[in-house]
Amino acid sequence: GESVGLHLPTLSVQEGDNSIINCAYSNSASDYFIWYKQESGKGPQFIIDIRSNMDKRQGQRVTVLLNKTVKHLSLQIAATQPGDSAVYFCAENRGNQGGKLIFGQGTELSVKP
Amino acid sequence: DAGVIQSPRHEVTEMGQEVTLRCKPISGHNSLFWYRQTMMRGLELLIYFNNNVPIDDSGMPEDRFSAKMPNASFSTLKIQPSEPRDSAVYFCASSPGTGDEKLFFGSGTQLSVL
Repeated sequence: GESVGLHLPTLSVQEGDNSIINCAYSNSASDYFIWYKQESGKGPQFIIDIRSNMDKRQGQRVTVLLNKTVKHLSLQIAATQPGDSAVYFCAENRGNQGGKLIFGQGTELSVKP
Repeated sequence: DAGVIQSPRHEVTEMGQEVTLRCKPISGHNSLFWYRQTMMRGLELLIYFNNNVPIDDSGMPEDRFSAKMPNASFSTLKIQPSEPRDSAVYFCASSPGTGDEKLFFGSGTQLSVL
């Protein structure tokens, strides 16, 4: 069925290294994607978004890449810090469903000092 | 801005009791969403409102769940009667609803049904 999923449930990186978190989606009608960060005991926090008419968008230490050909989304975090340790979710908006966001299962990022 | 405000932060109740979760969206936001998060199923959309009107409630698990939005600044999610399998973290989120689909989440309500 249609779903938003992640390749890796956990990712462990060394402080200072770059992190890459991946996400696959299956609905070609999706036109808006968001990455959220969720720390323990807190609600998801917006990181960065991208629309389907773009293939790359950069923020502060984060970059989102969108490959519509293979329906793949990635989040790159530069110079990963201990404070980046959290669960990261990708979410898609499936075009014709208003503001409804569908979330993937999440990847837990652990940063080792 | 105080962000999305949810109450209570934690709720522990016994099976069969009524539970009411509350949410105050960000002022000026026109869309409000209720999500449930569990380890098994992740973040699931239960229902969302636009301009206080329920748009999609297909995610509501069963008739024991109901949600209301009597005005632009308040919404409730009610479970009656509650069951142990309802134990989860319930999040409320809001968005401008003007074509910007970015959702802003509250801190959630941790519900435990014994």
